[in-house]
Amino acid sequence: GAGVSQTPSNKVTEKGKYVELRCDPISGHTALYWYRQSLGQGPEFLIYFQGTGAADDSGLPNDRFFAVRPEGSVSTLKIQRTERGDSAVYLCASSLDTYGNVLTFGAGSRLTVL
Amino acid sequence: AQTVTQSQPEMSVQEAETVTLSCTYDTSESNYYLFWYKQPPSRQMILVIRQEAYKQQNATENRFSVNFQKAAKSFSLKISDSQLGDTAMYFCAFISNDYKLSFGAGTTVTVRA
Repeated sequence: GAGVSQTPSNKVTEKGKYVELRCDPISGHTALYWYRQSLGQGPEFLIYFQGTGAADDSGLPNDRFFAVRPEGSVSTLKIQRTERGDSAVYLCASSLDTYGNVLTFGAGSRLTVL
Repeated sequence: AQTVTQSQPEMSVQEAETVTLSCTYDTSESNYYLFWYKQPPSRQMILVIRQEAYKQQNATENRFSVNFQKAAKSFSLKISDSQLGDTAMYFCAFISNDYKLSFGAGTTVTVRA
């Protein structure tokens, strides 16, 4: 597509539920990133994919968070047993996998855990 | 680990005036890239400008320019002839060969009519 698409735009869930957030990157972009942005703060790195594999998942906060990219295109961020502290905007970005290339971001998915 | 510091939480500027946002970073790497991103209320993170560390010449993009001081590890953004559409949160960001883009805490810029 022309840009990075993220769905849903907004998600409200109850504590303890499971959620999935989807990212559709720019066609041809082999690198894909997930970031988490809490209110009034800068985005924090979660995970980076090169193709289908997670090249760096050091930012995932705990084992409730998991992300996949099975065909090297669309990615899904999965959060189990959601907690109120998981409430944030989850941003996805993609780029050509060349050092220094610009990341193009989606509009994010706002997750609210009640 | 790289850190990016933006010491100005908020800045206000009159339309058509100039505003400068500060950013400092800490790294042991010699080659890296620096960015300024703009995030309006729509949440879409938009690239404003990019600087390659090995280039001494400061990057410019229309009304946006940077002052890159590599020895001081400083990377400030100047917005000239401010427009109402410049109102947004601005993030300084850093990437080196670990491919991990690190952001500062952001500066909220408000342009007054």
